[in-house]
Amino acid sequence: GNSVTQMEGPVTLSEEAFLTINCTYTATGYPSLFWYVQYPGEGLQLLLKATKADDKGSNKGFEATYRKETTSFHLEKGSVQVSDSAVYFCALSNNYQLIWGAGTKLIIKP
Amino acid sequence: GAGVSQSPSNKVTEKGKDVELRCDPISGHTALYWYRQSLGQGLEFLIYFQGNSAPDKSGLPSDRFSAERTGGSVSTLTIQRTQQEDSAVYLCASSSALSGRGTDTQYFGPGTRLTVL
Repeated sequence: GNSVTQMEGPVTLSEEAFLTINCTYTATGYPSLFWYVQYPGEGLQLLLKATKADDKGSNKGFEATYRKETTSFHLEKGSVQVSDSAVYFCALSNNYQLIWGAGTKLIIKP
Repeated sequence: GAGVSQSPSNKVTEKGKDVELRCDPISGHTALYWYRQSLGQGLEFLIYFQGNSAPDKSGLPSDRFSAERTGGSVSTLTIQRTQQEDSAVYLCASSSALSGRGTDTQYFGPGTRLTVL
């Protein structure tokens, strides 16, 4: 079946550090891949997505590349800010249902 | 424009009571989804509507859970005879669902936090 595995948190970094949050997936067919973010006290919002192999999604300085050969969609940012502190969810979809990873809590210290 | 709205934002109920959770999707979005977010289970899909029809109810945890959508807009998730394990945040999302191939972005509401005592 379809599943998403992402690195466990919390991940604690200092401001301006480089961020990587790993995400790998198992899926039939050719799923679309998503990163959603949940800021403290707020709802889930789409951060970026990629709908086919080798696509790169990007938003707010975050990037992720759809790697079919390694079934991965790792999230990266070159220089994190305190305001990036949130929970990040990797997800996939083959049709209409989103299949979610467990979420990774990111804490950025000034 | 307005995003997805949900009501109530918080609901505390006693075990055995029925509850209704409401979702108002983004205007014009034909697809509507319900998910549940709980500490033990993470994010789980519950049900999907295309228009007023629910082609996939496979995620509903038991027959105590039901949902309907009227006029292609507002949806209500009903939980009968609530149990403590139903405590969770119930999230609603909507999308234009033009493709049905999973490429559509789902826009989420703020959720309803349900606590069953």
